[in-house]
Amino acid sequence: GAVVSQHPSWVICKSGTSVKIECRSLDFQATTMFWYRQFPKQSLMLMATSNEGSKATYEQGVEKDKFLINHASLTLSTLTVTSAHPEDSSFYICSAPDFSSRVYEQFFGPGTRLTVL
Amino acid sequence: QKEVEQDPGPLSVPEGAIVSLNCTYSNSAFQYFMWYRQYSRKGPELLMYTYSSGNKEDGRFTAQVDKSSKYISLFIRDSQPSDSATYLCAMSEDDKIIFGKGTRLHILP
Repeated sequence: GAVVSQHPSWVICKSGTSVKIECRSLDFQATTMFWYRQFPKQSLMLMATSNEGSKATYEQGVEKDKFLINHASLTLSTLTVTSAHPEDSSFYICSAPDFSSRVYEQFFGPGTRLTVL
Repeated sequence: QKEVEQDPGPLSVPEGAIVSLNCTYSNSAFQYFMWYRQYSRKGPELLMYTYSSGNKEDGRFTAQVDKSSKYISLFIRDSQPSDSATYLCAMSEDDKIIFGKGTRLHILP
């Protein structure tokens, strides 16, 4: 199946700094990618939909100025957590549908664990 | 009421037993029903999907959907220690997926 990678796999940063997380589709092009956040023992919550060539769409309650998304190419989307605070510590996961774009064929990245001190 | 309800467990069963995992939902507009398996500190991987009421079988796994009751199930036969993971049900309308909290499953050798 298609492969989605994320970098870094984990990051620790100080409160107030910004952190960039990359999501790449390795063997297919993705005009759309999705960003999720998962707190311990909680479900994956969709944060935003990243669209190549246009602005991202954010879910209700997600601050677009805090979570900056850039879909730079057909294989790369980045999520930047600006001025990170301890409450932003979470597991961030991206996903991308393959060329058929059927929702159940989204491929998930391995996730990035963010810890903000 | 949350859109998707799933008992977080943990659920511990002996090796070889049949496992039953369940979710309920409230949104009758959901079109696709999926089950994902997630190992610790990893992204979820799709196990099965279906879009109609009834059963769908794939090896040791059977997915069941009852749209009239808004209830879905995943059955695992001949469970193995390697099946130990968190299982997330998920449903979609259009291009968005709504996940359950996940059920942590432990298969005891």
